Amino acid sequence: DAGVIQSPRHEVTEMGQEVTLRCKPISGHNSLFWYRQTMMRGLELLIYFNNNVPIDDSGMPEDRFSAKMPNASFSTLKIQPSEPRDSAVYFCASSFGTGGRRTEAFFGQGTRLTVV
Amino acid sequence: AQSVTQPDIHITVSEGASLELRCNYSYGATPYLFWYVQSPGQGLQLLLKYFSGDTLVQGIKGFEAEFKRSQSSFNLRKPSVHWSDAAEYFCAVAPYNNNDMRFGAGTRLTVKP
Repeated sequence: DAGVIQSPRHEVTEMGQEVTLRCKPISGHNSLFWYRQTMMRGLELLIYFNNNVPIDDSGMPEDRFSAKMPNASFSTLKIQPSEPRDSAVYFCASSFGTGGRRTEAFFGQGTRLTVV
Repeated sequence: AQSVTQPDIHITVSEGASLELRCNYSYGATPYLFWYVQSPGQGLQLLLKYFSGDTLVQGIKGFEAEFKRSQSSFNLRKPSVHWSDAAEYFCAVAPYNNNDMRFGAGTRLTVKP
């Protein structure tokens, strides 16, 4: 398997523009996570899905952020409008199973977002 | 909610020396515990995990960690550090019954020649 695939790897955008980050989880995995990494706040869990359903989005910073998982093989994280403080590395991760029978989370390479 | 503390922001060791990175967690029940490593510009790679059973867990690259319930700790160890081990190390905790995994702030490891 190619692992978790994120695109783009780098994104530079102007403040106020819409940004869409994409993630393809590992085939067969049923949980998907979006994390944000910054120097100030470290790794923050933004949202996670189980079987394509959002389970916990309490980490989403504000209404400008939204995430979708239309099917088991694709998810998007959208920021509209973007602001300079959204600049960070965004990671997608996936895992398989539930409860006591689940794997660890496998991470993608991340998308480095710069909002100028 | 669960949380993780990594008390050491930055550690420097000499190549060949032993290493211990500290991790303390806060969670009311038995957690799932993980150590991940991140090289610059890369994603996170799993070193090892603890779900249940033997409290001493072996991982990749010669790393091991020991779960101590009484101390709420899951410290990472390596007997002899290699220059290639220089990276950022993250401890993480997740509840048994859901996938809400939380990370510590990370410990940056520098290896001196």
